[in-house]
Amino acid sequence: GAGVSQSPSNKVTEKGKDVELRCDPISGHTALYWYRQSLGQGLEFLIYFQGNSAPDKSGLPSDRFSAERTGGSVSTLTIQRTQQEDSAVYLCASSPELAGGQETQYFGPGTRLLVL
Amino acid sequence: AQTVTQSQPEMSVQEAETVTLSCTYDTSESDYYLFWYKQPPSRQMILVIRQEAYKQQNATENRFSVNFQKAAKSFSLKISDSQLGDAAMYFCAYRSGSGYALNFGKGTSLLVTP
Repeated sequence: GAGVSQSPSNKVTEKGKDVELRCDPISGHTALYWYRQSLGQGLEFLIYFQGNSAPDKSGLPSDRFSAERTGGSVSTLTIQRTQQEDSAVYLCASSPELAGGQETQYFGPGTRLLVL
Repeated sequence: AQTVTQSQPEMSVQEAETVTLSCTYDTSESDYYLFWYKQPPSRQMILVIRQEAYKQQNATENRFSVNFQKAAKSFSLKISDSQLGDAAMYFCAYRSGSGYALNFGKGTSLLVTP
């Protein structure tokens, strides 16, 4: 597709359930990022993938959060045993390979997660 | 960690007028990049303009321009000839020259009135 796509657009789940959020980056983009946008914390970096390198998971808030990127393309963010504080919009972005900082991060429309 | 501060939670401007959104940041680095992103109700973050810290010239994109004051660590966005479609949340963001994650401010909600 032309842009970054994310699914589902909205997700309502019950506390304690696991959820999977999907991100399809722009074709050819080697870098992929996940951010979380919540009322209390604003926009926070979660995780970064670049090509075949080990991901930078430094922003993941707890071990209930994990992410993978298969075949250097699609990424899935998984939240296990969801808590109400996980309610937020999860944004995915992709960019071309780092080139002196000239790359732009292109964002998807996000997944709004509500944990009841 | 670098902090980005947007001191105006909300701003309002009349159509066709000019508005300036403020952003300050705190860093000890000399190599970095600054961005303004727009987030309409559709939630999709759209890049408005970016500035490389090593460039003295202020970036401009059509009706959007920045006032980059490196010594003061200030990076304001000026929107000229405001249009109804400019109404959105605007986020200022910082990226280290050696990093990749964007560090965002809390955002400014811009209302455009007819």
